[in-house]
Amino acid sequence: DAGVIQSPRHEVTEMGQEVTLRCKPISGHDYLFWYRQTMMRGLELLIYFNNNVPIDDSGMPEDRFSAKMPNASFSTLKIQPSEPRDSAVYFCASSLRRGTGVQRYGYTFGSGTRLTVV
Amino acid sequence: DQQVKQNSPSLSVQEGRISILNCDYTNSMFDYFLWYKKYPAEGPTFLISISSIKDKNEDGRFTVFLNKSAKHLSLHIVPSQPGDSAVYFCAARSFNQFYFGTGTSLTVIP
Repeated sequence: DAGVIQSPRHEVTEMGQEVTLRCKPISGHDYLFWYRQTMMRGLELLIYFNNNVPIDDSGMPEDRFSAKMPNASFSTLKIQPSEPRDSAVYFCASSLRRGTGVQRYGYTFGSGTRLTVV
Repeated sequence: DQQVKQNSPSLSVQEGRISILNCDYTNSMFDYFLWYKKYPAEGPTFLISISSIKDKNEDGRFTVFLNKSAKHLSLHIVPSQPGDSAVYFCAARSFNQFYFGTGTSLTVIP
Protein backbone atom coordinates (compact mmCIF):
# COMPACT_ATOMS: atom_id res chain seq x y z
CA ASP A 1 0.00 0.00 0.00
CA ALA A 2 1.30 3.46 -0.87
CA GLY A 3 0.07 4.92 2.39
CA VAL A 4 -1.81 8.18 2.78
CA ILE A 5 -1.03 10.43 -0.19
CA GLN A 6 -1.25 14.20 0.02
CA SER A 7 -0.81 16.80 -2.66
CA PRO A 8 0.73 19.19 -3.22
CA ARG A 9 3.77 18.82 -0.94
CA HIS A 10 4.33 22.56 -0.95
CA GLU A 11 1.99 25.41 -1.78
CA VAL A 12 2.86 29.08 -1.87
CA THR A 13 0.01 31.43 -2.54
CA GLU A 14 -0.88 35.06 -2.17
CA MET A 15 -3.24 36.31 0.47
CA GLY A 16 -6.84 36.22 -0.72
CA GLN A 17 -6.35 33.32 -3.09
CA GLU A 18 -8.17 30.01 -2.85
CA VAL A 19 -6.13 27.01 -1.77
CA THR A 20 -7.13 23.36 -2.15
CA LEU A 21 -5.28 20.56 -0.41
CA ARG A 22 -5.87 16.97 -1.45
CA CYS A 23 -5.71 13.61 0.30
CA LYS A 24 -6.01 9.99 -0.74
CA PRO A 25 -6.46 7.74 2.32
CA ILE A 26 -5.34 4.15 2.62
CA SER A 27 -7.73 1.87 0.78
CA GLY A 28 -10.23 0.31 3.15
CA HIS A 29 -9.79 2.85 5.93
CA ASP A 30 -13.11 4.25 7.02
CA TYR A 31 -11.92 7.29 8.99
CA LEU A 32 -10.15 10.32 7.58
CA PHE A 33 -8.72 13.23 9.56
CA TRP A 34 -7.33 16.63 8.66
CA TYR A 35 -4.77 18.10 11.07
CA ARG A 36 -2.83 21.32 11.10
CA GLN A 37 0.61 21.56 12.70
CA THR A 38 1.75 24.83 14.23
CA MET A 39 4.43 25.65 16.75
CA MET A 40 1.91 26.94 19.27
CA ARG A 41 -0.73 24.22 19.09
CA GLY A 42 1.14 21.21 17.80
CA LEU A 43 -1.11 18.84 15.86
CA GLU A 44 -4.55 20.38 15.84
CA LEU A 45 -7.55 18.38 14.60
CA LEU A 46 -9.59 20.35 12.08
CA ILE A 47 -12.21 17.86 10.93
CA TYR A 48 -12.77 14.14 10.56
CA PHE A 49 -14.95 11.92 8.41
CA ASN A 50 -16.39 8.45 8.92
CA ASN A 51 -17.48 6.61 5.80
CA ASN A 52 -17.23 9.88 3.85
CA VAL A 53 -19.54 11.73 6.24
CA PRO A 54 -18.20 14.68 8.25
CA ILE A 55 -18.54 13.83 11.94
CA ASP A 56 -16.86 16.66 13.79
CA ASP A 57 -15.77 19.93 12.23
CA SER A 58 -15.50 21.87 15.47
CA GLY A 59 -11.77 22.31 14.91
CA MET A 60 -12.21 24.22 11.67
CA PRO A 61 -10.98 27.68 12.62
CA GLU A 62 -13.25 29.79 10.45
CA ASP A 63 -15.83 29.66 7.72
CA ARG A 64 -13.01 30.24 5.28
CA PHE A 65 -12.12 26.57 5.81
CA SER A 66 -14.17 23.78 4.26
CA ALA A 67 -13.61 20.07 3.69
CA LYS A 68 -15.26 17.48 1.53
CA MET A 69 -15.02 13.76 1.01
CA PRO A 70 -16.94 12.90 -2.17
CA ASN A 71 -15.87 9.25 -2.05
CA ALA A 72 -13.88 6.80 0.06
CA SER A 73 -10.64 7.49 -1.79
CA PHE A 74 -10.48 11.27 -1.90
CA SER A 75 -10.82 14.28 0.33
CA THR A 76 -10.12 18.00 -0.04
CA LEU A 77 -9.49 20.82 2.39
CA LYS A 78 -10.18 24.24 0.94
CA ILE A 79 -9.27 27.66 2.30
CA GLN A 80 -10.97 30.62 0.68
CA PRO A 81 -9.77 33.29 0.95
CA SER A 82 -6.39 32.37 2.38
CA GLU A 83 -4.58 34.55 4.93
CA PRO A 84 -0.95 34.62 6.11
CA ARG A 85 -1.93 33.14 9.48
CA ASP A 86 -3.10 30.01 7.67
CA SER A 87 0.53 29.20 6.92
CA ALA A 88 1.25 25.80 8.48
CA VAL A 89 1.75 22.16 7.61
CA TYR A 90 -1.52 20.38 6.96
CA PHE A 91 -1.68 16.63 7.51
CA CYS A 92 -4.21 14.11 6.40
CA ALA A 93 -4.49 10.82 8.30
CA SER A 94 -6.66 7.74 7.98
CA SER A 95 -7.50 4.81 10.19
CA LEU A 96 -9.50 1.63 10.34
CA ARG A 97 -11.37 1.75 13.59
CA ARG A 98 -13.12 -1.57 13.46
CA GLY A 99 -10.15 -3.85 13.09
CA THR A 100 -8.75 -5.59 16.12
CA GLY A 101 -5.26 -4.43 16.91
CA VAL A 102 -5.18 -1.79 14.21
CA GLN A 103 -6.92 0.69 16.41
CA ARG A 104 -4.11 0.59 18.92
CA TYR A 105 -1.74 2.17 16.46
CA GLY A 106 -3.71 5.30 16.00
CA TYR A 107 -3.63 6.91 12.63
CA THR A 108 -1.50 6.65 9.51
CA PHE A 109 -0.40 10.09 8.43
CA GLY A 110 0.47 11.44 5.03
CA SER A 111 3.62 13.47 4.45
CA GLY A 112 1.78 16.75 4.77
CA THR A 113 1.33 19.88 2.69
CA ARG A 114 3.38 22.89 3.70
CA LEU A 115 1.26 25.94 3.00
CA THR A 116 2.76 29.41 2.86
CA VAL A 117 0.46 32.37 2.35
CA VAL A 118 2.30 35.59 1.54
CA ASP B 1 -7.68 23.97 25.74
CA GLN B 2 -4.68 21.67 25.39
CA GLN B 3 -5.52 18.33 27.03
CA VAL B 4 -2.13 16.84 26.22
CA LYS B 5 0.93 18.92 26.99
CA GLN B 6 4.58 18.56 26.18
CA ASN B 7 6.24 21.34 28.10
CA SER B 8 9.72 20.90 26.67
CA PRO B 9 9.84 22.10 23.06
CA SER B 10 13.36 20.78 22.62
CA LEU B 11 15.90 18.42 24.14
CA SER B 12 19.55 17.72 23.35
CA VAL B 13 21.27 14.53 24.43
CA GLN B 14 24.68 13.04 23.84
CA GLU B 15 24.83 9.87 21.78
CA GLY B 16 24.72 6.78 23.99
CA ARG B 17 22.98 8.55 26.85
CA ILE B 18 19.35 8.27 27.85
CA SER B 19 16.71 10.57 26.34
CA ILE B 20 13.63 11.22 28.44
CA LEU B 21 10.65 12.92 26.84
CA ASN B 22 7.74 13.94 29.02
CA CYS B 23 4.04 14.40 28.48
CA ASP B 24 1.26 15.50 30.83
CA TYR B 25 -2.45 15.18 30.33
CA THR B 26 -5.57 16.48 32.01
CA ASN B 27 -8.36 14.15 30.91
CA SER B 28 -8.81 11.14 33.20
CA MET B 29 -10.92 9.45 30.50
CA PHE B 30 -7.92 8.82 28.29
CA ASP B 31 -7.55 5.06 27.92
CA TYR B 32 -4.69 4.66 25.46
CA PHE B 33 -1.49 6.57 24.86
CA LEU B 34 0.89 6.65 21.93
CA TRP B 35 4.16 8.22 20.94
CA TYR B 36 4.73 9.32 17.37
CA LYS B 37 8.03 10.21 15.77
CA LYS B 38 8.28 12.78 13.00
CA TYR B 39 11.21 13.47 10.70
CA PRO B 40 11.35 16.71 8.69
CA ALA B 41 9.18 16.70 5.57
CA GLU B 42 7.47 13.49 6.64
CA GLY B 43 4.27 12.68 8.46
CA PRO B 44 4.28 11.39 12.05
CA THR B 45 4.75 7.64 12.37
CA PHE B 46 3.73 5.38 15.22
CA LEU B 47 6.51 4.53 17.67
CA ILE B 48 5.15 2.88 20.79
CA SER B 49 1.93 2.72 22.79
CA ILE B 50 0.62 1.86 26.23
CA SER B 51 -2.79 1.02 27.59
CA SER B 52 -4.06 2.82 30.65
CA ILE B 53 -4.18 -0.49 32.52
CA LYS B 54 -0.40 -0.80 32.34
CA ASP B 55 2.40 1.32 33.72
CA LYS B 56 5.21 0.28 31.42
CA ASN B 57 5.72 -0.94 27.88
CA GLU B 58 9.07 -1.71 26.35
CA ASP B 59 10.12 -2.15 22.72
CA GLY B 60 13.83 -2.43 22.15
CA ARG B 61 15.51 0.85 23.03
CA PHE B 62 12.17 2.52 23.66
CA THR B 63 10.20 2.33 26.91
CA VAL B 64 7.04 4.22 27.76
CA PHE B 65 6.05 4.78 31.37
CA LEU B 66 2.58 5.78 32.54
CA ASN B 67 1.82 7.31 35.92
CA LYS B 68 -1.94 7.60 36.02
CA SER B 69 -2.13 9.24 39.41
CA ALA B 70 0.12 12.02 38.19
CA LYS B 71 -1.41 12.02 34.69
CA HIS B 72 2.10 11.80 33.34
CA LEU B 73 3.62 9.86 30.46
CA SER B 74 7.27 9.55 29.57
CA LEU B 75 9.29 8.02 26.76
CA HIS B 76 12.79 6.73 27.48
CA ILE B 77 15.25 6.06 24.70
CA VAL B 78 18.39 4.25 25.69
CA PRO B 79 20.95 4.34 24.30
CA SER B 80 20.16 7.39 22.19
CA GLN B 81 21.39 7.39 18.60
CA PRO B 82 21.79 10.23 16.08
CA GLY B 83 19.01 8.67 13.99
CA ASP B 84 16.63 9.28 16.88
CA SER B 85 16.83 13.02 16.20
CA ALA B 86 13.25 13.96 15.35
CA VAL B 87 10.13 15.58 16.77
CA TYR B 88 8.23 13.34 19.17
CA PHE B 89 4.51 13.75 19.74
CA CYS B 90 2.57 12.09 22.51
CA ALA B 91 -1.09 11.34 21.90
CA ALA B 92 -3.92 10.20 24.12
CA ARG B 93 -7.20 8.57 23.20
CA SER B 94 -10.66 9.31 24.53
CA PHE B 95 -13.82 7.95 22.93
CA ASN B 96 -11.91 6.82 19.86
CA GLN B 97 -10.37 10.21 19.20
CA PHE B 98 -6.70 11.00 19.65
CA TYR B 99 -5.44 14.25 21.11
CA PHE B 100 -1.88 15.29 20.38
CA GLY B 101 0.69 17.28 22.28
CA THR B 102 2.73 20.10 20.75
CA GLY B 103 5.81 17.94 20.26
CA THR B 104 9.38 17.83 21.58
CA SER B 105 12.29 18.18 19.19
CA LEU B 106 15.04 15.73 20.17
CA THR B 107 18.59 16.24 18.98
CA VAL B 108 21.09 13.46 19.62
CA ILE B 109 24.62 14.79 19.39
CA PRO B 110 27.22 12.38 18.00
